[in-house]
Formats: sequence, C-alpha cells, structure tokens
Amino acid sequence: QVTLRESGPALVKPTQTLTLTCTFSGFSLSTSGMCVSWIRQPPGKALEWLALIDWDDDKYYSTSLKTRLTISKDTSKNQVVLTMTNMDPVDTATYYCARIRQTGTIDYWGQGTLVTVSS
Amino acid sequence: QSALTQPRSVSGSPGQSVTISCTGTSSDVGGYNYVSWYQQHPGKAPKLMIYDVSKRPSGVPDRFSGSKSGNTASLTISGLQAEDEADYYCCSYAGSYTFNVVFGGGTKLTVL
Repeated sequence: QVTLRESGPALVKPTQTLTLTCTFSGFSLSTSGMCVSWIRQPPGKALEWLALIDWDDDKYYSTSLKTRLTISKDTSKNQVVLTMTNMDPVDTATYYCARIRQTGTIDYWGQGTLVTVSS
Repeated sequence: QSALTQPRSVSGSPGQSVTISCTGTSSDVGGYNYVSWYQQHPGKAPKLMIYDVSKRPSGVPDRFSGSKSGNTASLTISGLQAEDEADYYCCSYAGSYTFNVVFGGGTKLTVL
C-alpha cells in the first residue's frame, strides 16, 4: 500500500532554512505519471499547496513562495526533499507530503509534521 | 485569503443532507473538471472524498457526492452521521501554463 512520512526539525529559528524529507513507499517516482507535492496548513487555517515534483524531474512551485522553495527527489531512496529559505513565524504550520495526480487530485497524504518558527 | 470560497460552517442533524459550496473562477473551478474534496478530522491528515468533480475513491460511502455548475462546485453529504463531523476542503486544478492547485478556506461541518 502507499505510505508517505515526513521528517525534519520541529523547531527552526527565524531566517533559518527549513529542510523536510518525505520518505514514501508503495509507488516509484520513476514511473510515468507519478508526482509528489508538499502542502502546508498553519494552525487552525486552510491548506496551501507549495510545490510538486514529477517522475520526469519537472518542478513546480507556488507563485507566492517560489523564490524560497526548492524541491528535489532521490528516486533510489524513494525520497523527496523540500527546502524553504528565510523562515518566518508566519511559516509555522503542519507540512504534509502527498502523492498527487497531474490533475491535482491528492490521493495519499503523509501524517504531517508540525514546524514551529520561533527564536 | 484562500483562492476558493467556502462557507465557514454548515450543520445538520443525523439523517439529514447538507451541501457545501466552493466558488472559484473560470481559471480554476470553472475551467477544469478537476475539483476534489477532502475530509479532515482534528489532528489528522486530510482524506480524499471526491475527485474529478463527482468521482468517489474506493471505500468512500455513496452518501458523499459532488457536482459542479459554472464556477461553483458542491459537496453533498446525505444521511448525515456523527462521524461526518469534520472540516471539508475543496481543491481545484488551476494550471493554465504551469501546474497549480488552489484550496478553499475549509468548512466546518457540525452534526447536531
């Protein structure tokens, strides 16, 4: 079955760079049509799509955050990594990785990891 | 402010039906038949309930149905049950020349 799990620091300081890793199983990112995205959700607020990487190593980013985001993959390890630079307290959120279809349907989600930005 | 507009809250009694609306524009909801709906219980990850406007993934009860008219999509839950109480988010493809998805602000469903 498909599973995804996020890992990374629970606490980062303002201006630091956040690095999150998504480790998945049950599918391969080298298979045509497969894509993985990162989505975040501030406490008590709505979901926000951040980035996508596909089987062909094409990368797409949220327009509002693209200058701060980098997404990459290691197909051999079944991992996708997201980096976000210049973290701010408003970036405090639960960050989810998810398998996503090219139509935007998110069919499998990780459990999420809460990242708090505070000095 | 989210790209798609949903009511903040809806409520219904067990056995009743409720409908949650999701209004966007011709660049997202109205432009593609790629609207999906997610159920989220407190402290849990979202769960896919409806995709491609009206399709149900395996395992989702047929009490959940989706539709779309113009720039507004809707999720209808019939025969409300206590376990349906949750937050519901709509999502639409909004790609145009690149990949993009937009979410609604979420709707809190209360089962009275």
